[in-house]
Amino acid sequence: KNQVEQSPQSLIILEGKNCTLQCNYTVSPFSNLRWYKQDTGRGPVSLTIMTFSENTKSNGRYTATLDADTKQSSLHITASQLSDSASYICVVIRNYGGSQGNLIFGKGTKLSVKP
Amino acid sequence: DGGITQSPKYLFRKEGQNVTLSCEQNLNHDAMYWYRQDPGQGLRLIYYSQIVNDFQKGDIAEGYSVSREKKESFPLTVTSAQKNPTAFYLCASKPGGWQPQHFGDGTRLSIL
Repeated sequence: KNQVEQSPQSLIILEGKNCTLQCNYTVSPFSNLRWYKQDTGRGPVSLTIMTFSENTKSNGRYTATLDADTKQSSLHITASQLSDSASYICVVIRNYGGSQGNLIFGKGTKLSVKP
Repeated sequence: DGGITQSPKYLFRKEGQNVTLSCEQNLNHDAMYWYRQDPGQGLRLIYYSQIVNDFQKGDIAEGYSVSREKKESFPLTVTSAQKNPTAFYLCASKPGGWQPQHFGDGTRLSIL
C-alpha cells in the first residue's frame, strides 16, 4: 500500500533551536518527494522538491534530506523563528509517466515555536 | 501578482443544499485540482482537470461535482449527497512537467 508516514505528529520547540521532522514512505514507483509548509488557515507552500538522485537540498534555514534506499526523508530547520510555526507536509509523487493524480500526502507535523 | 484565488474564505451550508466553491488562477496553468483536508488527515484528492472541458475523479469524488469551462476557473459544487461536507477545501494548479502544485488559501465549509 502506498503510504507516507510523518513523525512526530506535533512538536514544540523554543525560538532559536533546531529541529528535524521525519517522513517515511512506501510509495512505489517513486518519482520525487516534496516538503510543503502550511500556515494555519492557509494553503500549503512548496519548500523543496527532491528527486531520486538528490541526497540533500537546502532552502534558507530549511534542509531536506532523502535516502531512497531506506525510503526516508527529513526536514531540518535551523535557528527556528516564530514564523516557522506551521504544519509541514511530506508529499511523495508516484512515477506514472506524467499522470497528474498520483500525489501521496502525509498527515503533516505540526510545529510550534515558542518565544 | 499571479496566484490562485479561492472564495469565499468561509461558507455555511444548510441541510439539503448545494453550494459552489470558486477557484480562479491567473498562472496560465493547464492542470487544476480540488483537495479536501480534515483535521489529522492528509489531503485527499476530490477531482482534477488537466485541460479545459476535461476532468477526472479523484479518491473521494462522491457527492461532489466540477466543471472546467475556462482554463482559469475550476469551481467545485458540494451537493446534498455529500453527507459529511464540513472540511477545509483547497484548490491547486500546476504547470507541466514535475513542477510543484500551487495552492490557494482554501475555503472552510461548515454545516448550519
